[in-house]
Amino acid sequence: QVQLQESGPGLVKPSETLSLTCSVSGGSISSYYWSWIRQPPGKRLEWMGYFHYSGSTKYNPSLKSRITISVDTSRNQVSLRLTSVTAADTAVYFCARGTTTVVTPFHPWGQGTLVTVSS
Amino acid sequence: QSALTQPRSVSGSPGQSVTISCTGTSSDVGANNYVSWYQQHPGKAPKFILNDVSKRPSGVPDRFSGSKSGNTASLTISGLQAEDEADYYCCSYAGSYTWVFGGGTKLTVL
Repeated sequence: QVQLQESGPGLVKPSETLSLTCSVSGGSISSYYWSWIRQPPGKRLEWMGYFHYSGSTKYNPSLKSRITISVDTSRNQVSLRLTSVTAADTAVYFCARGTTTVVTPFHPWGQGTLVTVSS
Repeated sequence: QSALTQPRSVSGSPGQSVTISCTGTSSDVGANNYVSWYQQHPGKAPKFILNDVSKRPSGVPDRFSGSKSGNTASLTISGLQAEDEADYYCCSYAGSYTWVFGGGTKLTVL
């Protein structure tokens, strides 16, 4: 059974870069779509973007050029990088797997990791 | 990319049925059948409960069903149980290889 685990700093200063890792166990990263989804405290889910093993990526236009999603197949990890963060980027960040052919459904999900942007 | 519109809250008594709507546009919900639904209990990660408008994965009770008409998708939960109390989110393909979630609906079991 595939399991996902997010990890990374829980506190990031404004204007700095947020970097998170999603470690995948019980299955391979190969062939699947991998997404990052975030949820500000008390607010809705927001799809941030995906990476497909073929190398294709797509990001939420609202994040413009601040976001990068990549994978490290040797470590079976999916990474998220978000630059120039502000308080509005404070959220629980989830990684989730799609299928081999479509981004959704998002399943399974990691348990999420809270990132607070504050000086 | 605007969030899909869901009612902020719905409620029902045990054994009753409730329906949660998810309204988008002809560019997202109305344009495809890539609508999925997620259940989220407080402090937990979302759980996938429906895909492609109405397909249930194994392990999800058949009390959960989905449909779509025009730009609005719907999730119906019949035979409400206490453990159904949670937040529910719809998600749709929004074109240009992007995806959008709804605003979320809090279900209260009275």
